[in-house]
Amino acid sequence: DAGVTQSPTHLIKTRGQQVTLRCSPISGHKSVSWYQQVLGQGPQFIFQYYEKEERGRGNFPDRFSARQFPNYSSELNVNALLLGDSALYLCASSSQGVGVAGELFFGEGSRLTVL
Amino acid sequence: QKEVEQNSGPLSVPEGAIASLNCTYSDRGSQSFFWYRQYSGKSPELIMSIYSNGDKEDGRFTAQLNKASQYVSLLIRDSQPSDSATYLCAVGSASKIIFGSGTRLSIRP
Repeated sequence: DAGVTQSPTHLIKTRGQQVTLRCSPISGHKSVSWYQQVLGQGPQFIFQYYEKEERGRGNFPDRFSARQFPNYSSELNVNALLLGDSALYLCASSSQGVGVAGELFFGEGSRLTVL
Repeated sequence: QKEVEQNSGPLSVPEGAIASLNCTYSDRGSQSFFWYRQYSGKSPELIMSIYSNGDKEDGRFTAQLNKASQYVSLLIRDSQPSDSATYLCAVGSASKIIFGSGTRLSIRP
């Protein structure tokens, strides 16, 4: 069975541009979470979606947005990119629903470099 | 105060010994607790999950949870060079899971 798949794996953008990252969860998983990981730090929680609704949001500016589609895949959008947005963006899926934070299974990530 | 705290290390352990990794968390309402392993340049990989007080064993790994002390630990027995990695403690409450900054573990021959 396929795991969590993310695209693109690497991308380079310039300041002020916009980026869209994509994620397909493990088959049967309805929950998708997004994390940002900068070098030397743990993953920072950005969003959680379950059944196409936002269920949790971390401490990120409004430049960050996401959505989940009827097939449970998800997109993360970042507008007006800053140098500090350079990071590994991780998508994780879970079989758990709302109210119980269950095991997360991560994709390989999308490495974003902002110049 | 960080929500999930770990010693950044590096923690150096001889091959064959027991590695002990520790984590504290601030939210008393936390319900689920996880240990992930992350190799350099790779994404986190789930090692163990624990939901109730006490010990949980899986092969060479034992997770320990003490909710009263808000403390989670991971023991790795018979440490192998392949165990050298960063270990992330993660704590779940409601619909989000928060990660610590990780402990870098190095197994020396």
